[in-house]
Amino acid sequence: KAGVTQTPRYLIKTRGQQVTLSCSPISGHRSVSWYQQTPGQGLQFLFEYFSETQRNKGNFPGRFSGRQFSNSRSEMNVSTLELGDSALYLCASSSKTFGTDPYEQYFGPGTRLTVT
Amino acid sequence: GIQVEQSPPDLILQEGANSTLRCNFSDSVNNLQWFHQNPWGQLINLFYIPSGTKQNGRLSATTVATERYSLLYISSSQTTDSGVYFCAVDPDGDSWGKLQFGAGTQVVVTP
Repeated sequence: KAGVTQTPRYLIKTRGQQVTLSCSPISGHRSVSWYQQTPGQGLQFLFEYFSETQRNKGNFPGRFSGRQFSNSRSEMNVSTLELGDSALYLCASSSKTFGTDPYEQYFGPGTRLTVT
Repeated sequence: GIQVEQSPPDLILQEGANSTLRCNFSDSVNNLQWFHQNPWGQLINLFYIPSGTKQNGRLSATTVATERYSLLYISSSQTTDSGVYFCAVDPDGDSWGKLQFGAGTQVVVTP
């Protein structure tokens, strides 16, 4: 079974621009979560989607948004990029469906975003 | 919110040595995972272990949920074991796909 895939793998953008990152989960997984990793803050949860609905959101400004499509693929968008948005963005999928399901998350290779 | 603390922050090992990494968490959890992050940034699943003991080759893990800690054992370390090891927990038990990560243990295995 193919793993979680993310595109693009590397991206360089300028301050003020916007960016869209894509994530395809493991086949059959309907839950997709996004994380940001920076040297200063470590790994931080952005949001999670299931059945095209955002079920949970981390403590990030509204410039960070996401969506999920009917085939469970997900995109995240960052508008008005700032230098501090430079990070590794990781996507994870799981087979979790209900809140109390035990679950294991599987991560993609990440998209490394550099904002200049 | 839940606190996840990993120790030690850094570990330097000679090839062939054994080591123990620790993860303490401040509240009950219903999901605990160990990951290895390789130099390219990929998080590789090592164990899903909310409780009990598991082994996979030279790696094993134990979680004592009642005492709120987990241990990752690396035996006969190899240079390919180098990287950052993360412990991550589900902080709410009903958190809809949110994992809270520790700060990680940076492991360097020298030949």
